[in-house]
Amino acid sequence: DTGVSQDPRHKITKRGQNVTFRCDPISEHNRLYWYRQTLGQGPEFLTYFQNEAQLEKSRLLSDRFSAERPKGSFSTLEIQRTEQGDSAMYLCASSLSGPVEKLFFGSGTQLSVL
Amino acid sequence: GIQVEQSPPDLILQEGANSTLRCNFSDSVNNLQWFHQNPWGQLINLFYIPSGTKQNGRLSATTVATERYSLLYISSSQTTDSGVYFCAVELDTNAGKSTFGDGTTLTVKP
Repeated sequence: DTGVSQDPRHKITKRGQNVTFRCDPISEHNRLYWYRQTLGQGPEFLTYFQNEAQLEKSRLLSDRFSAERPKGSFSTLEIQRTEQGDSAMYLCASSLSGPVEKLFFGSGTQLSVL
Repeated sequence: GIQVEQSPPDLILQEGANSTLRCNFSDSVNNLQWFHQNPWGQLINLFYIPSGTKQNGRLSATTVATERYSLLYISSSQTTDSGVYFCAVELDTNAGKSTFGDGTTLTVKP
């Protein structure tokens, strides 16, 4: 069990550029989540997958955001035409669906849009 | 949507002191978890506790689901306990998402 891995750890980009983040969940976990966290706030849910199916998206997830989990393993989160308001920590979590479903988080990707 | 309120927002302790953190939620929940976010941003799952009491070393948690609150107890605090403590609730076990409070920032001084 190597834990949830996220890459990159930090990303600095200019407004208008596209960025893509990767998340590798714990290998046996079938559920994968993306959250966003800004300074002084708790994480906010963005979207989640069960296997390769994207089952729910938050209203926070504008049309510029897209997430994929093509083979039910790793996931990518892409932000197109970044805006300064997109600056945040993007957190990935995974879990194994069942009667006791604990979330395990990665270390996050800190995005700064200049 | 469900509201999650944590108190106090900030807490400063001397090493060795005990503390109680509280999480109130506005609706019945099927899942409640406590997390510790360390100064490097890593969120560590402390407890999965939709009801009842659990203990893990110096930490324990109690959730009274009928009264819609949960408590996290930290005894004999250490400087490594510093960070932000979040509770997160889920309304439906199949909903796939958790709602987090804004956390309690704990600072333990040596």
